Amino acid sequence: DIQMTQSPSSLSASVGDRVTITCQASQDISDYLNWYQQKPGEAPNLLISDASNLQTGVPSRFSGSGSGTDFTFTISSLQPEDVATYYCQQYDNLPLTFGGGTKVEIK
Amino acid sequence: EVQLVESGGGLVQPGRSLRLSCAASGFIFGDYAMHWVRQAPGKGLEWVSGISWNSGNIRYADSVKGRFTISRENTRRSLYLQMDSLGTEDTAMYYCAKAYGSGNLVDALDIWGQGTVVIVSS
Repeated sequence: DIQMTQSPSSLSASVGDRVTITCQASQDISDYLNWYQQKPGEAPNLLISDASNLQTGVPSRFSGSGSGTDFTFTISSLQPEDVATYYCQQYDNLPLTFGGGTKVEIK
Repeated sequence: EVQLVESGGGLVQPGRSLRLSCAASGFIFGDYAMHWVRQAPGKGLEWVSGISWNSGNIRYADSVKGRFTISRENTRRSLYLQMDSLGTEDTAMYYCAKAYGSGNLVDALDIWGQGTVVIVSS
């Protein structure tokens, strides 16, 4: 199975700050990497597919980059509504596997 | 509106069975692979099982293999998860999710239901 290692596990930042989350795959997954946002009490929501493809309706302050084994998710200017847990997920192979999540809070 | 609605969760004793259902609307259900993903209380996301558009490809996580059975009825726009020999480790919120762009299993998951809670306890 492909292991996805996400860091940090949690972070606290101020409104307007730039926030960066990393995700490392245990083997080369090309760009078969997605990012999800899960707000408290809600289902996950797909934000970015194929490492960098922003889904329709997702604010442009969210972005993703990377390929191979190392990926980055960025919020360019943190907003109060971005409080959530963010997960990466690979779909290079089954089983689909997720990172452990990064809980983002407002300082 | 594209929507997935899960049902069938509840409190069940260890060793017993439960069948989850997921009703789809707002898209051509038979064109897409579907998945079950679970989340234990306070934990992360764990993929459970997936089924291709025509049920020709079915896969399970090792943690549920031999105990859970995924199925679908395209004419009823419904996805199912039969869960047998439940253990306390199966306690979780169970989400059904639609594959993003295809009928194949390896894909992003672009539409999720709100989930149904399964509690396994004596």
